[in-house]
Amino acid sequence: ETGVTQTPRHLVMGMTNKKSLKCEQHLGHNAMYWYKQSAKKPLELMFVYSLEERVENNSVPSRFSPECPNSSHLFLHLHTLQPEDSALYLCASSQDLGSTNEKLFFGSGTQLSVL
Amino acid sequence: GQNIDQPTEMTATEGAIVQINCTYQTSGFNGLFWYQQHAGEAPTFLSYNVLDGLEEKGRFSSFLSRSKGYSYLLLKELQMKDSASYLCAVRDLSGDYKLSFGAGTTVTVRA
Repeated sequence: ETGVTQTPRHLVMGMTNKKSLKCEQHLGHNAMYWYKQSAKKPLELMFVYSLEERVENNSVPSRFSPECPNSSHLFLHLHTLQPEDSALYLCASSQDLGSTNEKLFFGSGTQLSVL
Repeated sequence: GQNIDQPTEMTATEGAIVQINCTYQTSGFNGLFWYQQHAGEAPTFLSYNVLDGLEEKGRFSSFLSRSKGYSYLLLKELQMKDSASYLCAVRDLSGDYKLSFGAGTTVTVRA
C-alpha cells in the first residue's frame, strides 16, 4: 500500500466515449503527477500539479484533460481517444516539487484499452 | 532530456546475485533513483544516489559513478518475489521536479 489509490484499475472504452480516471493520495503531499506507461517504453510524464496549480503540461493532446480540485485528488478526463492511447496510466505524488531527493509514491495505475 | 539505457530482460536463479546496469546522459545530473514494479502493481522506491559510491540496503545495493554516467542495482540472495521490473530514473538540474525514466529491466527469478 503506497498511500496513492487509483480507480478504476481497468477501463475499456470506445473512441467516442468520455471517461475519467481518479487518483487520491492519503499522504499529505503537495504535488501530484500523471504518467503514461506503455509496454517496453519509459514512463512519460504528462501533467504535474503543485498545490492544485498545473505546472507542467508535457505536450499532451487535448483529448486528455487533467483536473486537480484539491491537493489530495487528481483526475484525468478522457474523450475521443485513439487506440494508441491504450496504456497504463499512473498517478504519483510527492511531498513537494524541487527537492533533490524528492521521491515519488505511485498508485497501481489504470490499465486503459481503447477500442 | 536524458538518454537512459538499461537492459530489457535478465534471468537469474534463486539465491544468486544479479546486477542491473543503467547508463545515462544528462546536461546537469541531480540524482538517480531505482524503483521496483511488480506486474500490475505500483512502482515503489528502492534507492537514491546523488554522490559517487555504493548505497546498501539489506539485499539491495545501488552504485553510482557520475563521471561515467553509470549506475547499477545489485540484488543479492535472490528470492522468487524479486521477479519484477526495475526502473532507473534520473533527475536533471534543468527540470528540478522532473524524473526521466528508463524503459525498465524485467528480472525473472527461477527456482
